[in-house]
This record gives sequence, structure tokens and C-alpha cells, in this order.
Amino acid sequence: AQSVTQPDIHITVSEGASLELRCNYSYGATPYLFWYVQSPGQGLQLLLKYFSGDTLVQGIKGFEAEFKRSQSSFNLRKPSVHWSDAAEYFCAVGGSGTYKYIFGTGTRLKVLA
Amino acid sequence: GAVVSQHPSWVICKSGTSVKIECRSLDFQATTMFWYRQFPKQSLMLMATSNEGSKATYEQGVEKDKFLINHASLTLSTLTVTSAHPEDSSFYICSARTGLYTDTQYFGPGTRLTVL
Repeated sequence: AQSVTQPDIHITVSEGASLELRCNYSYGATPYLFWYVQSPGQGLQLLLKYFSGDTLVQGIKGFEAEFKRSQSSFNLRKPSVHWSDAAEYFCAVGGSGTYKYIFGTGTRLKVLA
Repeated sequence: GAVVSQHPSWVICKSGTSVKIECRSLDFQATTMFWYRQFPKQSLMLMATSNEGSKATYEQGVEKDKFLINHASLTLSTLTVTSAHPEDSSFYICSARTGLYTDTQYFGPGTRLTVL
């Protein structure tokens, strides 16, 4: 079955600390992987995406993610978190030609001053 | 680039009435638009896929007669919640693909629907 798992429902980090949000997927074909961020009451903003090529992907706002096929993972990282990064983060998987995404349940990030 | 807007951003209606939500791609033509529903503190659930000029494809369990989708142009898709009931209260988000050969979706800001 196709699915996306974000094991951490909530994560709290101090401002300036590093961050890693986990995402594991199950997908029958070559996956296209995405990370989106959602601020309260807002839509989703694309942080980064992976289709092919270099497995370390750089995104906006200083985020990066690494695709590890052997572990079926696509974890999101940021070396130094800012208070404005507090939001909900969603990992999604899609496939070429399907144009449908499967979303994870999200990870809510809280940043302590 | 790739901006998607939704209108209204929030709406309150009485039970039994119908509500229309618009989704527009502002700076690109969207051959495909998607409608999602998000319950509080939950993930997004795809409701339907809308292709310009053709009937929408609904996901299993979504009532097509209750959630009417029209994609009349390359920049506009509408979702009409007919005979709304309190259980239809939710956050509705649309997204759009920027082209035929792209798998990236860009999302609108969402519409909060409250049915009294």
C-alpha cells in the first residue's frame, strides 16, 4: 500500500538549534517527494522537492532534505531554526504521471525563544 | 510565480444552503486543479481532481452530488458544497499543476467553511 509516515506528531526545538523532521514512505514506483509547510489557517507552501538526481535537495528558507532510497526516507533538515519556522510540516509522495499526492499526517514544530 | 488564490477565505452559512468556493491560478494556466479537505490538526485528504473542460474525478467516498466541481477555464475551478450540513464544516484547499509535464502542485491559501 502507498503511504507516508511522519513519526513525530510534535517537535519542540530551541531557536538556533538544528532540526530534523522524519518522513518515511511506501510507494510502488519511483517516488516524487515533497515537503510543504503550513502556517496556522494558511495553505501549503512548497519547501522543496525531489524527482531524481542529487539525493540532497536544497529548498527555500534554508531547508534541505536527503533522499535515501534504501531507507525509504526523505528527512527534512535545517541547521539553525528561527522562531518564524514554527508551523506544520507535511511530507508528500507522488509519482510520475499520477499527479496525485499522498500526504503524511504532519509534524507540528514549536520553536522556543 | 505559481500563485494560487481562493475566495472566500472564510464563509459561514446556514445548514441547507449551498456555498461556492473559487480557486484561481493567477499567473499560469492550470490544466489540472485538485481539491482537498483538511480537518483540524489532520492531514489533507484529496477529494477530487479537476481537469479543464472535463468532468472531475472524485476520490472514493466523496459524494459527487454534494461537492460539485467545475473547471470551466484554465485559471478557474469552483467547488460548490450543496445543501451544506455542520459535518461539512472544514478547511478546503485547492492546488494546481503548472503544466502538463510537471508533477509539482501549488496550493491556495484555503477556505474555512463553517456550517451552522
